[in-house]
Amino acid sequence: SQQGEEDPQALSIQEGENATMNCSYKTSINNLQWYRQNSGRGLVHLILIRSNEREKHSGRLRVTLDTSKKSSSLLITASRAADTASYFCATDSSYKLIFGSGTRLLVRP
Amino acid sequence: DVKVTQSSRYLVKRTGEKVFLECVQDMDHENMFWYRQDPGLGLRLIYFSYDVKMKEKGDIPEGYSVSREKKERFSLILESASTNQTSMYLCATENGEGWPQHFGDGTRLSIL
Repeated sequence: SQQGEEDPQALSIQEGENATMNCSYKTSINNLQWYRQNSGRGLVHLILIRSNEREKHSGRLRVTLDTSKKSSSLLITASRAADTASYFCATDSSYKLIFGSGTRLLVRP
Repeated sequence: DVKVTQSSRYLVKRTGEKVFLECVQDMDHENMFWYRQDPGLGLRLIYFSYDVKMKEKGDIPEGYSVSREKKERFSLILESASTNQTSMYLCATENGEGWPQHFGDGTRLSIL
């Protein structure tokens, strides 16, 4: 069963715009992570937010976590064509991560 | 940087063959994982290992086995390959629970 579910499934924006992706999960967590996957490649870790944190920044990335709503969002500001990728949230559950099915982001030049 | 190397990027095998997928890491991480990734299904955990010679079943272990004889190497074995095992296989390592996972570039396996 999938713990994290991303929304939307696909997103197309113009370069320079902001991209927001959402993740909902079902059970309590210790932390939530976001990963990026370029086509045909492995996943790359972007950011980890712990359950006692509400917001975290890393460069052009901003992640929020609302444990009362069991949801998280990933904001990419001033998007670039190179941000085109799939983005996954992952939640921890008994020594393993559970990944959602991802959001496919297309940034048009 | 952590380097996770999967032995093949692309592999084509025949139904019934025994298939070995190898994963090697260079960062002395305790935990290693094998996932498969299929369109619309996200990543699904097949097996993981938290120590040499230790293994735990993930969510979809049927038809697979694993071997971890050395800390840096984690092998996934398809005992008798079937067409429904055609998929992208991803290996990952982790320096303990709650830490980020580091992925290899994946092996795209086709079973004919």
